[in-house]
Amino acid sequence: QKEVEQNSGPLSVPEGAIASLNCTYSDRVSQSFFWYRQYSGKSPELIMSIYSNGDKEDGRFTAQLNKASQYVSLLIRDSQPSDSATYLCAVAKIDMRFGAGTRLTVKP
Amino acid sequence: SAVISQKPSRDICQRGTSLTIQCQVDSQVTMMFWYRQQPGQSLTLIATANQGSEATYESGFVIDKFPISRPNLTFSTLTVSNMSPEDSSIYLCSGLMRTGYNEQFFGPGTRLTVL
Repeated sequence: QKEVEQNSGPLSVPEGAIASLNCTYSDRVSQSFFWYRQYSGKSPELIMSIYSNGDKEDGRFTAQLNKASQYVSLLIRDSQPSDSATYLCAVAKIDMRFGAGTRLTVKP
Repeated sequence: SAVISQKPSRDICQRGTSLTIQCQVDSQVTMMFWYRQQPGQSLTLIATANQGSEATYESGFVIDKFPISRPNLTFSTLTVSNMSPEDSSIYLCSGLMRTGYNEQFFGPGTRLTVL
């Protein structure tokens, strides 16, 4: 089992829709959870971090964490073409482990 | 966020040669890491750069191939030694923020092509 698994992509949504990205992790004692956005040819950019169960909202982005289910998700509301990128889930205990990423395309 | 710079941004090298990548971070960073991202793949941790001592390498990576230095808190180098085409990748430096929330920020990366 991979340490961090993301739902296979690519994911395509129409502009204005909600994009839902999912991630599961295997290490139950993980403490910190992150979503990075990576545009093609660029380095990853931290967009959300979450540390406790529940939802965390930042603008159009909502991260959801369920430690009992070892599950973390990212919702992007009112998706825009500029949201088209690869989204990486990352989980940290001491060091950080990344999922394979989900490529999101938002179609105008 | 932390300010992290890397150089070179890209290079094309011949098989058998070595390339040293430099990373400079601002003072908000405590730990520094080196990652590799091969085309279409996610990030793989190469090693943790330790200040003033030998780096801590992940399984599959060895010091002879990827020597790392960190002479002070804000600077580190990664050398890719005796390169082969399989080393063609993006190499990323990252820094862990002092905030205690385990947030890592990445440099712009070095795109390496080995012919």
